[in-house]
Amino acid sequence: EPEVTQTPSHQVTQMGQEVILRCVPISNHLYFYWYRQILGQKVEFLVSFYNNEISEKSEIFDDQFSVERPDGSNFTLKIRSTKLEDSAMYFCASWSTGSSGYTFGSGTRLTVV
Amino acid sequence: GENVEQHPSTLSVQEGDSAVIKCTYSDSASNYFPWYKQELGKGPQLIIDIRSNVGEKKDQRIAVTLNKTAKHFSLHITETQPEDSAVYFCAATVNRDDKIIFGKGTRLHILP
Repeated sequence: EPEVTQTPSHQVTQMGQEVILRCVPISNHLYFYWYRQILGQKVEFLVSFYNNEISEKSEIFDDQFSVERPDGSNFTLKIRSTKLEDSAMYFCASWSTGSSGYTFGSGTRLTVV
Repeated sequence: GENVEQHPSTLSVQEGDSAVIKCTYSDSASNYFPWYKQELGKGPQLIIDIRSNVGEKKDQRIAVTLNKTAKHFSLHITETQPEDSAVYFCAATVNRDDKIIFGKGTRLHILP
């Protein structure tokens, strides 16, 4: 069964550093998303991306965040200057017409120290 | 915007018994309601979904019901098994390509 692949599975970074979280969506999917889940809390929407541009973003997705699809396969989330409160699991998801629902990756656990 | 409330936050049931998780939503425009199962260290996995033109949907031991008038929807798991232990999230969205709004999750424990 096709999967969404995320790397790394765990990243530890110093406060103020830039991090890039990487995702490889399912190959024929056209819609891409990032969500995050702070430990023990619900999954929250960050941003959606379609046709090489952001479709929608949440209040969480401020100027410190950016997304990019640098080639035909990767979809990245960049946090420019990490804060302690950015520590969370970050999930990438993809979807396309004909799919029953999003497919989520296994996530990247980001720890900001 | 949409708000999804989910109850209970924790549920323990004896193996073989049924489990029911209930959710409400606020935006009457929502018409797609997926349910996700999240196992430890993994991403949410879609287990069943329902659209607003349907009142009930069943897939083996799992069923969802939707009351669009009351803005309620529920997940029913029958004949529970140890592998059903996980966190379950209900969610709502207007269209399947839109952002999904999740409930806070229900941690389901299946007791031996």
